[in-house]
Amino acid sequence: EVQVVESGGGLVQPGRSLRLSCTASGFTFGDYTINWFRQAPGKGLEWVGFIRGKPYGGTPEYAASVRGRFTISRDDSESIAYLQLDSLKTEDTGVYYCSREGTHWARAIRQIKVFDYWGQGTLVTVSS
Amino acid sequence: DIQMTQSPSSLSASVGDRVTITCRASQSISSYLNWYQQKPGKAPKLLIYAASSLQSGVPSRFSGSGSGTDFTLTISSLQPEDFATYYCQQSFSTPPYTFGQGTKLEIK
Repeated sequence: EVQVVESGGGLVQPGRSLRLSCTASGFTFGDYTINWFRQAPGKGLEWVGFIRGKPYGGTPEYAASVRGRFTISRDDSESIAYLQLDSLKTEDTGVYYCSREGTHWARAIRQIKVFDYWGQGTLVTVSS
Repeated sequence: DIQMTQSPSSLSASVGDRVTITCRASQSISSYLNWYQQKPGKAPKLLIYAASSLQSGVPSRFSGSGSGTDFTLTISSLQPEDFATYYCQQSFSTPPYTFGQGTKLEIK
């Protein structure tokens, strides 16, 4: 059974740092790209970034809103992805989710990327 | 970046109603469009991928259509467990992945 679990959230002051973890099981972790998302209180979903799986180079990409402050990494031997949050701002408050990026086949377009397994989320509160 | 716009932002309906939610992309995305359902305090759940393909385990009352810039999610007969927020998401031009702002489906 595929499982994804986030941890590491909490209350942190503006300007400080926090590291979130995304621990996975039930699939060959290193083969998959892992995405991070966030959801501010009462708001919609925002893509934060991803780290590619080993077959795709293992490199990260970031949303413009977090580039230079957040860093995504992975430890394939432990099946964990990390989201390092630095220089936190009050507007970074929200629930942070990680998700496995799957690939589905569709006749019209061949393949499409989907977010097929999500964790339960971890709450990050940035406040003084 | 491709912008995704959903309408309506909220919707009140009754059990048994047929409901349609629309999603428009700022440029053509072919059929690279997914739909997710999110219930309060829970993670999003994949419902529809590639605009019209039903994710395994999702009830057949859910359906999707469209291509290019205009897409719809239809629930043929609302059930109590369907009251949730629905998001469309494009996988055409990435990164970044972008979502619609969400449609909150409430009980009338």
